[in-house]
Amino acid sequence: GENVEQHPSTLSVQEGDSAVIKCTYSDSASNYFPWYKQELGKRPQLIIDIRSNVGEKKDQRIAVTLNKTAKHFSLHITETQPEDSAVYFCAARGDSWGKLQFGAGTQVVVTP
Amino acid sequence: DSGVTQTPKHLITATGQRVTLRCSPRSGDLSVYWYQQSLDQGLQFLIQYYNGEERAKGNILERFSAQQFPDLHSELNLSSLELGDSALYFCASSVASGGSSYNEQFFGPGTRLTVL
Repeated sequence: GENVEQHPSTLSVQEGDSAVIKCTYSDSASNYFPWYKQELGKRPQLIIDIRSNVGEKKDQRIAVTLNKTAKHFSLHITETQPEDSAVYFCAARGDSWGKLQFGAGTQVVVTP
Repeated sequence: DSGVTQTPKHLITATGQRVTLRCSPRSGDLSVYWYQQSLDQGLQFLIQYYNGEERAKGNILERFSAQQFPDLHSELNLSSLELGDSALYFCASSVASGGSSYNEQFFGPGTRLTVL
């Protein structure tokens, strides 16, 4: 089955700096890679996703890149703000019925 | 609001007891997924149902079971509860019709289970 590794586990950045989270996956058949943001005690919320036929996708200050050859994908947050502080999870779709395999999460702390 | 609802929000019970968590998917979604999130842990996939049938199983204990009803709501049953079962239990839903379709999963607010 699919296996997703996520790094780093914690990330501290100064407000205004950029943050990058990296994930690798094992199943070359995976074709959908969402990113979720989870604030303390709340539900994971989908913030951006990318499909395997696209190399990069951007939404305002958030971007995701995918390298299918190397089987890794990354989340980039530019001009970080305190409200970006949360746990971020990457995931890969491992089967045709939509089951997602999640990474272990990255705790992002943005200090003013 | 994702459109996925879960009840109850909080549940406090004792070891050895049995509880039922309920989830109603977004309108039009046929798939329901259950996840367990222990303190400072990631999202552990438990089980998936699609249109009433079990589609995928993850790290679900034998003491746990689930089902999806004809109206598409789902229930997760946890029995012989242990202290270690204390966690946030999330339900998510998606269209998930199989094949090569891309199916975003939308999470409910979760049920916080505390076993004393």
